[in-house]
Order: sequence, then C-alpha cells, then structure tokens
Amino acid sequence: DTAVSQTPKYLVTQMGNDKSIKCEQNLGHDTMYWYKQDSKKFLKIMFSYNNKELIINETVPNRFSPKSPDKAHLNLHINSLELGDSAVYFCASSPPGTGNQYFGAGTRLSVL
Amino acid sequence: ELKVEQNPLFLSMQEGKNYTIYCNYSTTSDRLYWYRQDPGKSLESLFVLLSNGAVKQEGRLMASLDTKARLSTLHITAAVHDLSATYFCAGETSGSRLTFGEGTQLTVNP
Repeated sequence: DTAVSQTPKYLVTQMGNDKSIKCEQNLGHDTMYWYKQDSKKFLKIMFSYNNKELIINETVPNRFSPKSPDKAHLNLHINSLELGDSAVYFCASSPPGTGNQYFGAGTRLSVL
Repeated sequence: ELKVEQNPLFLSMQEGKNYTIYCNYSTTSDRLYWYRQDPGKSLESLFVLLSNGAVKQEGRLMASLDTKARLSTLHITAAVHDLSATYFCAGETSGSRLTFGEGTQLTVNP
C-alpha cells in the first residue's frame, strides 16, 4: 500500500489553464505539506495543514490554493498556470510532534 | 529564519572511497534530517538526529550532529554505485517546518 499517494504523476498543460493535484495519506498522520522542487532540485515548502487547519502558508502566489477536506487529504489547485510554475510538486505527511516527513512520488508539472 | 547550506553540491567519487557531506545551519534547529532522492523519485528519510553528539549509522552511511557548531555530517564509507543519489539535509523549526539544503548530487563511479 502506498503511504502517501499523489495524482497525477505527470501533468502537461497550457499557460492560463487551471489544474489540481490530489494527495492522500493512509498513515494516520495529522500534518500534511506541499513542496515545490525546481529544476535545480531545490525544495521549498509551500503550505502545511494540521488536521485540516492551515499552519504554514509561505509566500506563494494567490493562484495556488490548498484544500484539505479531511486530515488524510490535501489537494492543491493552481489557477492561471504560468511557465514558471513548471516544477515537481511533492506532497508529504508527518506524525504529531515531529517533522519526520513521508513524501509522495511527486507530480511533474509542465506548463507549455 | 533558518538557512541550511550543504557542501559540496556535486560529488563524484570512486567506488571504495570515503567521503563526507557537510550541512551547516544558521540558527537553532529542533532536529536535523537526512533524506535521499534517486533521479525522478521521491525523497526517502535516512536519519533523524535529535540532540548534540547524536550519531546514527545505516550500512555505509553515518550521520552526526554537532549543535554547538550547527553542523551535521553524512559520512560515506567505501562507496558503492548504489549510493549514487541526491542527499538532502533539513533542519526542523516550529510547526514541524523543514528547511532543506540545496542537496548534494553524489555519483559513485565503478
């Protein structure tokens, strides 16, 4: 069983489109995260939710909106996609009281 | 704000050799993590270092933490090709927030 699963794995789309990436974890963790990994492999946190509540909201364009319907799911919706949004987006989760994070396989987003 | 710097960023080594990757961080960090990422894959947790002087070993990898120097090291002993990957260190601050270093891309040549 995949612990942290993201869909889709690949996403190719045109500039200006709106797209969503879904993430689910079956580890029973309370905290979930979204990261962006750029072409130089630099990983930067975007958002974090703890039990459906937003706790980390980095300086990310308003076009990015996370949604957590329950503590096992954290989805990422991106409006009006731009070329600079092309990256790999990772979802992660961690148990209470620790930052030891378990990562999903990543979603490679290419904006043309 | 925590800043994490790794060096080297690129490392090419021969099989059988030893080497160390360094991770410096700028302010107090609750815990220090090491992750491995294979090309096109996810990140896999290797070590969690909780306190000053902590040392953990798994196979040919050994990680240590010196909180006074704000330094963690990942030592590779007798490298093998299978260790080729990108290695990240990350410091943890409040809210279980991880700040990652730039990553060290390790290539072990036969």
